[in-house]
Amino acid sequence: NAGVTQTPKFRVLKTGQSMTLLCAQDMNHEYMYWYRQDPGMGLRLIHYSVGEGTTAKGEVPDGYNVSRLKKQNFLLGLESAAPSQTSVYFCASSQGTSLWETQYFGPGTRLLVL
Amino acid sequence: KQEVTQIPAALSVPEGENLVLNCSFTDSAIYNLQWFRQDPGKGLTSLLLIQSSQREQTSGRLNASLDKSSGRSTLYIAASQPGDSATYLCAVPTGTASKLTFGTGTRLQVTL
Repeated sequence: NAGVTQTPKFRVLKTGQSMTLLCAQDMNHEYMYWYRQDPGMGLRLIHYSVGEGTTAKGEVPDGYNVSRLKKQNFLLGLESAAPSQTSVYFCASSQGTSLWETQYFGPGTRLLVL
Repeated sequence: KQEVTQIPAALSVPEGENLVLNCSFTDSAIYNLQWFRQDPGKGLTSLLLIQSSQREQTSGRLNASLDKSSGRSTLYIAASQPGDSATYLCAVPTGTASKLTFGTGTRLQVTL
């Protein structure tokens, strides 16, 4: 049982380049989330999904897009990377709503935008 | 807007000491409070989830308490070990049921 996995682990981009971060979970969870973690800012929710084919905006969605075509996968896209998007990105999943369920996190993707 | 604060930001204690980590939140209308651990360069691992109807939750050497009326939670670690060294974060569900608001964490170092 791998839990939540993220690809890639580390990436360097130039300003204006695009990339996709992949998150996969093997726990058959309905909910999936993308966060970014920055020093002094804590974790902030970018986008989330409550089921296959659904997505919703979180706290800091600008500059990012997401897709959930398969239940086990949640993709985070950066169409035109900016230095402000340098961060550590975490994916998480949960069986249900955070009112009752905890979230399971992946190991993170470190992104540096030059 | 819900705000979650953790003080201190960093803490260093000798091995074997009992310690308390603090978490405070501004809106007491919460469904639960969750404690996570984050090791350097790693993701978060859930430690304890306390529902609003509970006052305490225990797992091994960890005990978390919740006082909704005062907007506070504490994480008690008994007989600390070097392996407990990590950053501890608390979080509460806010807004839509899918959003967790996190504190910025307390970085704990347990020394030999």
